[in-house]
Amino acid sequence: KNEVEQSPQNLTAQEGEFITINCSYSVGISALHWLQQHPGGGIVSLFMLSSGKKKHGRLIATINIQEKHSSLHITASHPRDSAVYICAVASNTGNQFYFGTGTSLTVIP
Amino acid sequence: KAGVTQTPRYLIKTRGQQVTLSCSPISGHRSVSWYQQTPGQGLQFLFEYFSETQRNKGNFPGRFSGRQFSNSRSEMNVSTLELGDSALYLCASSFTHKNTEAFFGQGTRLTVV
Repeated sequence: KNEVEQSPQNLTAQEGEFITINCSYSVGISALHWLQQHPGGGIVSLFMLSSGKKKHGRLIATINIQEKHSSLHITASHPRDSAVYICAVASNTGNQFYFGTGTSLTVIP
Repeated sequence: KAGVTQTPRYLIKTRGQQVTLSCSPISGHRSVSWYQQTPGQGLQFLFEYFSETQRNKGNFPGRFSGRQFSNSRSEMNVSTLELGDSALYLCASSFTHKNTEAFFGQGTRLTVV
């Protein structure tokens, strides 16, 4: 049983397209993080959310606590957005993160 | 303020050797947790330290160990390295053990040959 489910697993888009990645979780959380990982690279934290919506440049993250669901949107996608995006939830009963398996995004010029 | 710093960023070791990885949390943070990312298993929880005490441990063999110092810096050690230990090792720090305001390091990529 996975505490965090992400969809889609793989996504290919044309440059300029609007992209949505979804994350559903089954545990109680204190916060949700969206992470980005380029091939062979380290992990960069994009957003930390506990409610509502956050925006940073072309990236938007939303969370619905009641529905236990979060989305990451990328507007006007660009080839440099090609990476794996990982949803991570911080459990509110323990002291660890649970991670989704990641969404591999490829943006074609 | 400075982010979570993991050193080294990249490391190559030989089977049978041991390795020590370091994680310096954000100033004031007292909780450090460690994770392993492998292609087949994704990100998995290793252990968490808070105020120099291990509070929680994942399902890893005893070859994986860690500690936390009084300045909250944490180290993890892997002894008798195996090829399957090749992975990205990620740490996260937070002020409390609730991870509400947690920040991630960029990870240490370990290759065992």
